[in-house]
Amino acid sequence: DVKVTQSSRYLVKRTGEKVFLECVQDMDHENMFWYRQDPGLGLRLIYFSYDVKMKEKGDIPEGYSVSREKKERFSLILESASTNQTSMYLCASRGVFEQYFGPGTRLTVT
Amino acid sequence: KQEVTQIPAALSVPEGENLVLNCSFTDSAIYNLQWFRQDPGKGLTSLLLIQSSQREQTSGRLNASLDKSSGRSTLYIAASQPGDSATYLCAIPQGGSEKLVFGKGTKLTVNP
Repeated sequence: DVKVTQSSRYLVKRTGEKVFLECVQDMDHENMFWYRQDPGLGLRLIYFSYDVKMKEKGDIPEGYSVSREKKERFSLILESASTNQTSMYLCASRGVFEQYFGPGTRLTVT
Repeated sequence: KQEVTQIPAALSVPEGENLVLNCSFTDSAIYNLQWFRQDPGKGLTSLLLIQSSQREQTSGRLNASLDKSSGRSTLYIAASQPGDSATYLCAIPQGGSEKLVFGKGTKLTVNP
């Protein structure tokens, strides 16, 4: 079974803090993704990576950056957290066809 | 640009009923379509992936169908159970890219 894990289930941070969300997959997938999910807006793609050190902006990259130093790990970075980044963050990796999701991180920025 | 719509946004049924969830898309040139389930506060679980060359995929009590010409997919759940209560989302790759376009989901409640 594919396993995608995320470093935290719940996280509370203060405005202006630098926040790291980490995602690890164990299936040697090349493609990894970061989404955020908000009520009424659905899932929106922030960034994705198709190989180590390769990244591409999704639909809402502003205020975020990513890092992929190793194939199994994809990190999402909030350079200076703001209250409008309070959300559920979901990481995914893609096999041949299917995307597999992690359990999500509920981030609250106060 | 592909758009994916799921109607209704919420559905409540009594236990044991067979039900159908709908997913519509605007661009019929799709590679595949994936159905997911999401429990409250959790990540997405992949249920079924149906390739563009397929008409149906089945897993247990779930059956997904695909009609590209009409821009529709349906997820059929047989003999529904309270444990089926969740939000169901469909997703389609955007053009030839890696990006998935998601519907906003149908929240299903199965009442005992």
